[in-house]
Amino acid sequence: EAGVTQSPTHLIKTRGQQVTLRCSPISGHTSVYWYQQALGLGLQFLLWYDEGEERNRGNFPPRFSGRQFPNYSSELNVNALELEDSALYLCASSSIRSYNEQFFGPGTRLTVL
Amino acid sequence: SQQGEEDPQALSIQEGENATMNCSYKTSINNLQWYRQNSGRGLVHLILIRSNEREKHSGRLRVTLDTSKKSSSLLITASRAADTASYFCATDLINYGQNFVFGPGTRLSVLP
Repeated sequence: EAGVTQSPTHLIKTRGQQVTLRCSPISGHTSVYWYQQALGLGLQFLLWYDEGEERNRGNFPPRFSGRQFPNYSSELNVNALELEDSALYLCASSSIRSYNEQFFGPGTRLTVL
Repeated sequence: SQQGEEDPQALSIQEGENATMNCSYKTSINNLQWYRQNSGRGLVHLILIRSNEREKHSGRLRVTLDTSKKSSSLLITASRAADTASYFCATDLINYGQNFVFGPGTRLSVLP
């Protein structure tokens, strides 16, 4: 069974640009979560999607947004990039059957110059 | 402050020794999970303990949960160099379902 996949693995952008990160959950998982992990820090919850709907979002400005597609894959969009957006962006998926255990992808490393 | 906070922030031990990490949280939870992260990569799920459980084992891992103290501990016995990683606890808040809150993590270094 394939795990959670994310693309791209690395990305370099400049301030003010926009970026789209992608995530494909494990087959059968309907929930997708996005987290931001700045260097050396813990995970900060960004967004939670389930069955195509945004269920919850963390304490991030509106320029962080996303969506979940009918096949349960998801995109995270960040507009007007700022230097402090440089981080590892992790996607995780879960299903009710797995009792909410989250399976993580390898992450996308975003560097904003 | 965060819902889940690990303690200590960093831990350095010799191979073969046991490592204990603690996690404290503030509000009632459905369950608590421990994850491991190697060198800035994705997290790997280690163990889940439900709020009505007090102790759980998985291989060299032992997790305890004390809901009266709102705390959990992760014990790694007979540590190996490969256990070197950051360890995070994650709690899901009652009434928030699948919304997990991660602590800042404990950085464990196991020296050969």
